[in-house]
Amino acid sequence: DIVMTQSPDSLAVSLGERATINCKSSQSVLYSSNNKNYLAWYQQKPGQPPKLLIYWASTRESGVPDRFSGSGSGTDFTLTISSLQAEDVAVYYCQQFYSTPLFTFGPGTKVDIK
Amino acid sequence: QLQLQESGPGLVKPSETLSLTCTVSGGSISSRSYYWDWIRQPPGKGLEWIGSIYYSGSTSYNPSLKSRVIISVDTSKNQFSLKLSSVTAADTAVYYCARHQGGIEAFDIWGQGTMVTVSS
Repeated sequence: DIVMTQSPDSLAVSLGERATINCKSSQSVLYSSNNKNYLAWYQQKPGQPPKLLIYWASTRESGVPDRFSGSGSGTDFTLTISSLQAEDVAVYYCQQFYSTPLFTFGPGTKVDIK
Repeated sequence: QLQLQESGPGLVKPSETLSLTCTVSGGSISSRSYYWDWIRQPPGKGLEWIGSIYYSGSTSYNPSLKSRVIISVDTSKNQFSLKLSSVTAADTAVYYCARHQGGIEAFDIWGQGTMVTVSS
């Protein structure tokens, strides 16, 4: 099984400042056949279902603000919020789609306002 | 716009079977690009993928739950369902249904979730 880890567990960032969340997989999630990383990022606000932000590690889902960006390849990935807004307070999860039949999520990173 | 809605009992007794249905509206469950999945989230905890079904009926399950899970599809009703047998308190969670878009490999649409408590 591919194990996903995230760091930090939580972070507090001032409004307008950058927030960076790291995600690491226990093995590569890069498909050599199409050179795509099967890694997605989700945002979950209290009482709501997760919302897809990023797929293929760096492609923003339609309608997602461009302050959200994803980067990385292989086993190490980063979600960056370039200028934190109040509405970005949430828990963020990474998830791998490389290993079937088990699509594992990271444990989540809670983002708050400092 | 496609929407998903979970339905089913909110309380299940230990050792019994949890049964939930996800109704797909605004689109067809028979679309070839998509899989239909169940994911759960215990209170205050993270997300756990349960399993997936294609409109043809092909399934895949989380190995840790496989012995207790059955996911089925009813294309005539545009629904798919989850059955989890021999439940314990550890199965208490919010259960989400979600669309897995095979082209981009992500869960792009989620239901609002339904809380299921296992208790006598």
